[in-house]
Amino acid sequence: EAGVAQSPRYKIIEKRQSVAFWCNPISGHATLYWYQQILGQGPKLLIQFQNNGVVDDSQLPKDRFSAERLKGVDSTLKIQPAKLEDSAVYLCASSPETGMNTEAFFGQGTRLTVV
Amino acid sequence: AQSVAQPEDQVNVAEGNPLTVKCTYSVSGNPYLFWYVQYPNRGLQFLLKYITGDNLVKGSYGFEAEFNKSQTSFHLKKPSALVSDSALYFCAVRDSNDYKLSFGAGTTVTVRA
Repeated sequence: EAGVAQSPRYKIIEKRQSVAFWCNPISGHATLYWYQQILGQGPKLLIQFQNNGVVDDSQLPKDRFSAERLKGVDSTLKIQPAKLEDSAVYLCASSPETGMNTEAFFGQGTRLTVV
Repeated sequence: AQSVAQPEDQVNVAEGNPLTVKCTYSVSGNPYLFWYVQYPNRGLQFLLKYITGDNLVKGSYGFEAEFNKSQTSFHLKKPSALVSDSALYFCAVRDSNDYKLSFGAGTTVTVRA
């Protein structure tokens, strides 16, 4: 089966610009996650969707970050305006409906550099 | 709220020697525990998980992990390490009272020939 698809793989922008990342989860997976992984740190959950509803967005900087999952399938994560400290790898993951005891499957990530 | 700690930033072992990567967790409910591996410029790959039952779980590439409830630990082990096991390893936990999947800071494993 196809894995989690993310695009673009790399993005370089100037601070105060905006950027958007796209994720297409594994077919049939109800849960979708966006993580931020800063160099040398573990992934930090930004937002978690169950179908098209938000389960958790407590660590999403809502003044500049937004995410949506229209129709409960693919998702976009947007940063506007970007700051230098947003430089990181943004990982998308998905897991099946059964949720709690199932592992998440990760995409290859988008490496964002803010200059 | 759940949390997970990986007390060692780096682990260095010789090829053929046993490998252990430590993980401790904190949850309010029951823990669901996972190990992932990350190679350079790649996403995270699932290795194994503990949900319930036998405390020793076996996973991909010869890895296993032992769940210890009293010590709130879930250490990753491999009896004989390979150079190709050199990578970044992450422990993750999900609390039965919360849907969030939280990760540790990671441990870099280097296996020398």
